Amino acid sequence: GAGVSQSPSNKVTEKGKDVELRCDPISGHTALYWYRQSLGQGLEFLIYFQGNSAPDKSGLPSDRFSAERTGGSVSTLTIQRTQQEDSAVYLCASSLEPPRLAGGHTDTQYFGPGTRLTVL
Amino acid sequence: GDSVTQMEGPVTLSEEAFLTINCTYTATGYPSLFWYVQYPGEGLQLLLKATKADDKGSNKGFEATYRKETTSFHLEKGSVQVSDSAVYFCALSDEGGSYIPTFGRGTSLIVHP
Repeated sequence: GAGVSQSPSNKVTEKGKDVELRCDPISGHTALYWYRQSLGQGLEFLIYFQGNSAPDKSGLPSDRFSAERTGGSVSTLTIQRTQQEDSAVYLCASSLEPPRLAGGHTDTQYFGPGTRLTVL
Repeated sequence: GDSVTQMEGPVTLSEEAFLTINCTYTATGYPSLFWYVQYPGEGLQLLLKATKADDKGSNKGFEATYRKETTSFHLEKGSVQVSDSAVYFCALSDEGGSYIPTFGRGTSLIVHP
């Protein structure tokens, strides 16, 4: 079946512009995560959606970052007034089971190919 | 809080060499442990996982054993191939903590012919 898809695959923008990054999770997956991966760095958690619950935004680095998930499916990550330090690969992941049904653990995550953002 | 520590890379090996990538963790609860692999230009994909102590996860010739006594989950492969060149991430999901998985910083593996 179809995996997690992200668009665009590459985005080049000028400093100060707003960008929107899209994630289409696997159908039926209730959990959705956004991460940022800077060059040579590990994964930085940004935001987590679980079903209809309020998202966990604890990883968002500033108020320029926001995300929404419509209808429990597609998610959009928006970065306003982009800065050069926002340049990174933004990864989206989804998983099937809510943690409480997976024995309290996060189920296996399925990652998209990422969006490479370059801010000039 | 939870944390995952991986050996720093890059790890450079010749084809058919033995591979070990060390991973140790700290967790407040009883975590599940994962290894993800990221091939160049791609997202992460699950390589293997283990959910309880002494479990061994295995896939594509890679193995890792959940060692609660040493809080470790080292990744091993007996004979690496050039196609194994990738970045490997150790991760945990803790029943007692946040539902946000904790990832290590990743270890780059380069295999030469």
